Amino acid sequence: RKEVEQDPGPFNVPEGATVAFNCTYSNSASQSFFWYRQDCRKEPKLLMSVYSSGNEDGRFTAQLNRASQYISLLIRDSKLSDSATYLCVETGFQKLVFGTGTRLLVSP
Amino acid sequence: GAVVSQHPSRVICKSGTSVKIECRSLDFQATTMFWYRQFPKQSLMLMATSNEGSKATYEQGVEKDKFLINHASLTLSTLTVTSAHPEDSSFYICSARKGGGSYNEQFFGPGTRLTVL
Repeated sequence: RKEVEQDPGPFNVPEGATVAFNCTYSNSASQSFFWYRQDCRKEPKLLMSVYSSGNEDGRFTAQLNRASQYISLLIRDSKLSDSATYLCVETGFQKLVFGTGTRLLVSP
Repeated sequence: GAVVSQHPSRVICKSGTSVKIECRSLDFQATTMFWYRQFPKQSLMLMATSNEGSKATYEQGVEKDKFLINHASLTLSTLTVTSAHPEDSSFYICSARKGGGSYNEQFFGPGTRLTVL
């Protein structure tokens, strides 16, 4: 079983739509969780941290459910510029463990 | 602040040659640098962790004699892919952690795309 699992997508949505991604992790001892964004052929960039209490940054909301071991990312009012691959990341044993990513395509 | 550069950004080489990739922290001292590899449509996989002045720690399944890592200064780490083969073709990304910083807080370089013919 992969340490971090994501639906690869792609998720095709129109501009203005709301879209949600989920991610599951296997290491119950994981301490911290993040969402990264990766554009094609580029390095990953930190989007936001994920907390049990929820974390909102503008149009983006992240949530952690420790009991079920999953993490979610909600994007409201999608923009064309949101098209990218979203990587779920957990920290285990002092290293970042990346999921394979979920691809989002926002169309006009 | 916290800019990390990589050089070269892209390299194409013949099978059997060695390729060196440089990772530099431009405006901070990086006590720890990480090397990742990403194959198409796959996740970033940590290859090794290097601390300045000491030997790198390699992840399981990564050949240390094939992927030589040197972290001789607080701003430079190099990864040398020795005797590269087509299956080594991948996107290699480094990241750096500031001295005293959390291991969660890594600053990524722009990556190096290696193609072995």
